[in-house]
Amino acid sequence: NAGVMQNPRHLVRRRGQEARLRCSPMKGHSHVYWYRQLPEEGLKFMVYLQKENIIDESGMPKERFSAEFPKEGPSILRIQQVVRGDSAAYFCASSPTAAGNTGELFFGEGSRLTVL
Amino acid sequence: AQRVTQPEKLLSVFKGAPVELKCNYSYSGSPELFWYVQYSRQRLQLLLRHISRESIKGFTADLNKGETSFHLKKPFAQEEDSAMYYCALNSVGNTGKLIFGQGTTLQVKP
Repeated sequence: NAGVMQNPRHLVRRRGQEARLRCSPMKGHSHVYWYRQLPEEGLKFMVYLQKENIIDESGMPKERFSAEFPKEGPSILRIQQVVRGDSAAYFCASSPTAAGNTGELFFGEGSRLTVL
Repeated sequence: AQRVTQPEKLLSVFKGAPVELKCNYSYSGSPELFWYVQYSRQRLQLLLRHISRESIKGFTADLNKGETSFHLKKPFAQEEDSAMYYCALNSVGNTGKLIFGQGTTLQVKP
């Protein structure tokens, strides 16, 4: 099992461009979580998705950010019209069941977004 | 409000010394708490959960509801314990939305 795969690992965008971050969960996992880590801060929950459903998006900024987890293919976190404050490491995690049952999330290596 | 606080950014000890990584939480109800660890060039991974009352790699953590703490302890630190440690709280609703502390870097010197 290859583990949670995120790409790209590093992404550089200019202000106003779009950023797309992809996450393939571990095989057999249908629950995906996105977290953001700003410089000098801990991980902050953004969104929790199951296949084709957003379960909890309480941590997502109201504008410019969206996430999806289609029936086929990876989960995608999309940031439109990026600003410098979006520069951060974005982590994806997956679990085979709702992780509330065990608290165990399997993390990817993260995607580091730099906005110039 | 649900919150996790790790007051130390960096904890530096010598090999063989005891280690205590502090974690305090704010939560109404019965909390579920975890410690995650990230070794150099590796992914963040679960170290232990309070509900299991387990010892992993010599580490233990006891939930103290009176002090709202979940400190991580090890009696004798090893160099391979050097890593970033995050305390995490399972949020209300049990959806797996974990609330993480800011993390503590443990540095074990030879």
